[in-house]
Amino acid sequence: GAVVSQHPSWVICKSGTSVKIECRSLDFQATTMFWYRQFPKQSLMLMATSNEGSKATYEQGVEKDKFLINHASLTLSTLTVTSAHPEDSSFYICSAREGGTGTEAFFGQGTRLTVV
Amino acid sequence: DAKTTQPNSMESNEEEPVHLPCNHSTISGTDYIHWYRQLPSQGPEYVIHGLTSNVNNRMASLAIAEDRKSSTLILHRATLRDAAVYYCILTGYGGATNKLIFGTGTLLAVQP
Repeated sequence: GAVVSQHPSWVICKSGTSVKIECRSLDFQATTMFWYRQFPKQSLMLMATSNEGSKATYEQGVEKDKFLINHASLTLSTLTVTSAHPEDSSFYICSAREGGTGTEAFFGQGTRLTVV
Repeated sequence: DAKTTQPNSMESNEEEPVHLPCNHSTISGTDYIHWYRQLPSQGPEYVIHGLTSNVNNRMASLAIAEDRKSSTLILHRATLRDAAVYYCILTGYGGATNKLIFGTGTLLAVQP
């Protein structure tokens, strides 16, 4: 299947700093990308949906000024967690889809963020 | 939003078939039925998807009811590597259904 690469796979940062997570589709052009966060023993929670060249659409309750999403090209999207706090510690996962809803989505391996 | 209902957990024995059910009684005509699975500490993995007809691929089969209000993911011979959380998701055209929203899924345990 297609490959989505997410980097870094884990990161530890100090409270108040910002962290950037990259998501790349390696062998296809991603017209749509999704960002999720997942807490232990819970399901994935959709944070935002982004289309290349457009502003991301955030889910209700997700602060767009805190979680900055940039989908600058058809193969790259970034999520920046600004002014991170310990409660932002979570497993962040990106997903990319080449076509519309009738096509499959592919997922990155996830990024474990720990804010200390 | 069209929702799906799955059992919280199921158990299977290795090398036996597994049938994972999913109910989606409010499905609309343009909604696709997708299945993904997630192993611990990994991102989800695509399994299969379909619209109306049954689908087969190297990983599994998807059986879709004639009225499309339910579907079943079939793993023909379960292996220990198939132990995961399986998610049944509907995606459609426009608005909220264009998103990929995960429910609670079914935790599949495979016994040797």
